[in-house]
Amino acid sequence: EAQVTQNPRYLITVTGKKLTVTCSQNMNHEYMSWYRQDPGLGLRQIYYSMNVEVTDKGDVPEGYKVSRKEKRNFPLILESPSPNQTSLYFCASSSPGLILTFGSGTRLTVV
Amino acid sequence: ILNVEQSPQSLHVQEGDSTNFTCSFPSSNFYALHWYRWETAKSPEALFVMTLNGDEKKKGRISATLNTKEGYSYLYIKGSQPEDSATYLCAPITGANNLFFGTGTRLTVIP
Repeated sequence: EAQVTQNPRYLITVTGKKLTVTCSQNMNHEYMSWYRQDPGLGLRQIYYSMNVEVTDKGDVPEGYKVSRKEKRNFPLILESPSPNQTSLYFCASSSPGLILTFGSGTRLTVV
Repeated sequence: ILNVEQSPQSLHVQEGDSTNFTCSFPSSNFYALHWYRWETAKSPEALFVMTLNGDEKKKGRISATLNTKEGYSYLYIKGSQPEDSATYLCAPITGANNLFFGTGTRLTVIP
């Protein structure tokens, strides 16, 4: 089944403890992207990647890192999480210009 | 960053009413526009991909139009049903092949 798989679905962590949210797609898509969703603010883009080893900042990249070493994986790294990074995160992928397929979301709480 | 505005932010309609909402975006460097439907506790799902000025797409009771010269798209829902309750997101794509989400219109259909 064609899908985008995010893990974990839920995560509670403490301030400053490094974490990684994984994202993997099995559709051979070139484009992958991370978003965060906060009440009243819609989906804001964190980072995106047009292809392997090509990543760019989105609207709200501060405090996040990404890597795209292989086509299927696009992990989101929070080196030192802070409470203002408590949010719902979505990973998505597509072929260029075509519709996005979203993962199921990761609800992160930083205390 | 692209300035994408959706209006209204939220609306409540009675079951059976028809409704519409707007997505406004800068008309320069336009490549395509996506509409997504996002139900609570689920991931966004694509409704339409629109590319040409004057495009009109239809899916059941939902349709959308596109005006790339003036930078807007309308989404129409005919005879709203409770299952139409969701947030509707538009996302223009620029020539750089990155897409930017509006903050969405949250629709509640009252039975």
